[in-house]
Amino acid sequence: QVQLQESGPGLVKPSGTLSLTCAVSGGTITSTNWWSWVRQAPGKGLEWIGGIFHSGTTNYNPSLKTRVTMSVDESKSQFSLRLSSVTAADTAVYYCARDILGHYDSSGYTPAYFDQWGQGTLVTVSS
Amino acid sequence: DIQMTQSPSSLSVSVGDRVTITCRASQSISSSLNWYQQKPGKAPKLLIYGASSLQSGVPSRFSGSGSGTDFTLTISSLQPEDFATYYCQQSYINPRTFGGGTKVEIK
Repeated sequence: QVQLQESGPGLVKPSGTLSLTCAVSGGTITSTNWWSWVRQAPGKGLEWIGGIFHSGTTNYNPSLKTRVTMSVDESKSQFSLRLSSVTAADTAVYYCARDILGHYDSSGYTPAYFDQWGQGTLVTVSS
Repeated sequence: DIQMTQSPSSLSVSVGDRVTITCRASQSISSSLNWYQQKPGKAPKLLIYGASSLQSGVPSRFSGSGSGTDFTLTISSLQPEDFATYYCQQSYINPRTFGGGTKVEIK
């Protein structure tokens, strides 16, 4: 069973850069899956930030694209998120998740879904 | 972006009740619809993928149906551990988008 664990500073100053890492264990980060980040502002719903393949190919939410950078470190079996120019609106619990992409199998086409999630880490943007 | 609208936003029910939650997409998403359960302070948990496929380990009282723009999550007989917030999510087109959530509370 794959397990994911987020880590990083819990407090970031306004205009600074949020940096988080997700460690993958119990499975290989070089599998055919993608790896995504999802966030949830306090008391609010879920927002997909973007995803990355182990090759380094990325796909970002256009609403955050100018501020987001994702990367993968295969040797450490982890992937990372950087979000620049943060404001109070970026205060949220940040989750990493395994992203099973759409694929064809014996039952036909199976659309994409997030099947494994980290426990989440709260990042507060405040001076 | 595809907008996902859930209804109701909350409901009060009793153990043993049948619960139905609806999710509507702003455009057709075929069967690219997933359902998640989230309990306070916990990460979301996948329940249903591809509109109607039950994730491994999820009790059979959970079921999903629908295609195109209208989808339903049904809990056949609500158990105490099912009190939580439920989210739908489309994976038809990026960016992936979620519904606003339905909070299932104890009556």
